[in-house]
Amino acid sequence: DIVMTQSPDSLAVSLGERATINCKSSQSVLYSSNNKNYLAWYQQKPGQPPKLLIYWASTRESGVPDRFSGSGSGTDFTLTISSLQAEDVAVYYCQQYYSTSALTFGGGTKVEIK
Amino acid sequence: QVQLQESGPGLVKPSETLSLTCTVSGGSISSYYWSWIRQPPGKGLEWIGYIYYSGSTNYNPSLKSRVTISVDTSKNQFSLKLSSVTAADTAVYYCARVGDIVLMVYEVWGQGTLVTVSS
Repeated sequence: DIVMTQSPDSLAVSLGERATINCKSSQSVLYSSNNKNYLAWYQQKPGQPPKLLIYWASTRESGVPDRFSGSGSGTDFTLTISSLQAEDVAVYYCQQYYSTSALTFGGGTKVEIK
Repeated sequence: QVQLQESGPGLVKPSETLSLTCTVSGGSISSYYWSWIRQPPGKGLEWIGYIYYSGSTNYNPSLKSRVTISVDTSKNQFSLKLSSVTAADTAVYYCARVGDIVLMVYEVWGQGTLVTVSS
């Protein structure tokens, strides 16, 4: 299985400041034939199911604010919230879909307000 | 707008079989992949498996010996059975719609249902 490791486990950021979450895969999720990274990000607020934010490592899902951005390639990826809002308090997960016989998630990163 | 709703017992005894159903409304179950994901209390997400509307399946290798996912297109439902459960199977179980065979991300989720394994 491809193991997804997120860091940090949690972070506290002031309102309006930048939040950066990292995700590392145990093997590359870049598919050479189409040059796409098979990496997605989700946001989960308390008591709610996860919500898809980003796929192909950097493509925002429809309706997702542009303060959310994804970057990276191969094995190292980043989710950035450019200006943290109160409603962004949540746990964020990365997910690889390169290996469709064993889809895996990262352990999650909790984002709080400082 | 497609909506998913999980249903089934909230309490299952150890060694018995957990059975859940996901009802799809506002759209057809055809032409999509459908998945089950679970989340133990206070922990992260674990993919259980997925099924195509035609019936083909793929399961998490760590659960494969105990999992069966099936689909009933006439009822617009798909189901999960997990046998020989233990306390470690206590979790919120989500059903979700997958993008497609290439874009295997979870676009639409149910609200989730908590299943507790206890005698």
